[in-house]
Amino acid sequence: QKEVEQDPGPLSVPEGAIVSLNCTYSNSAFQYFMWYRQYSRKGPELLMYTYSSGNKEDGRFTAQVDKSSKYISLFIRDSQPSDSATYLCAMGNTNAGKSTFGDGTTLTVKP
Amino acid sequence: DAGITQSPRHKVTETGTPVTLRCHQTENHRYMYWYRQDPGHGLRLIHYSYGVKDTDKGEVSDGYSVSRSKTEDFLLTLESATSSQTSVYFCAISDGKQFFGPGTRLTVL
Repeated sequence: QKEVEQDPGPLSVPEGAIVSLNCTYSNSAFQYFMWYRQYSRKGPELLMYTYSSGNKEDGRFTAQVDKSSKYISLFIRDSQPSDSATYLCAMGNTNAGKSTFGDGTTLTVKP
Repeated sequence: DAGITQSPRHKVTETGTPVTLRCHQTENHRYMYWYRQDPGHGLRLIHYSYGVKDTDKGEVSDGYSVSRSKTEDFLLTLESATSSQTSVYFCAISDGKQFFGPGTRLTVL
């Protein structure tokens, strides 16, 4: 079983919808949690970075971490066609150390 | 954008030939990483470096070696390329947050 499991998708939603992307993990030592966005044929781009449990908001994006359930989520409000990409969750137990990635969820937002 | 470049961006080679991929950073970050990305497997860590001449293996290191003689450069070498090493290779750097380069598409025929 993988240390990080990500909802596989693909996910297709209409423009303006609220999107929920989710990952679960098994390693209780993880303390740093990231979400990356990857457009086709591009490198992953860091979207959200959180430490420990709680919520973090940045514009239309909200990251939630529930360490007690070993569950993290990324919410996208008012989704736009430009949000169409693959989203990767990642987590690690030390700052600047190795991260373990989920396999990604591909999102399509239809106009 | 984080100052990370990878070269070459595309390469086609034949089985059994050596291949070296280069990652160059202008951010002076201590940590550098090499990943491969394949359908169904996500991003998998090949090797990483935590300083000049300090490197360690990741989860898929067999068939790969690395070197870091300067802070800004991290080289990935496939000593004898195989078709199973056809992939997209990403370099990343970290100061606490990990930033990725644009990737190298490698095809081994």
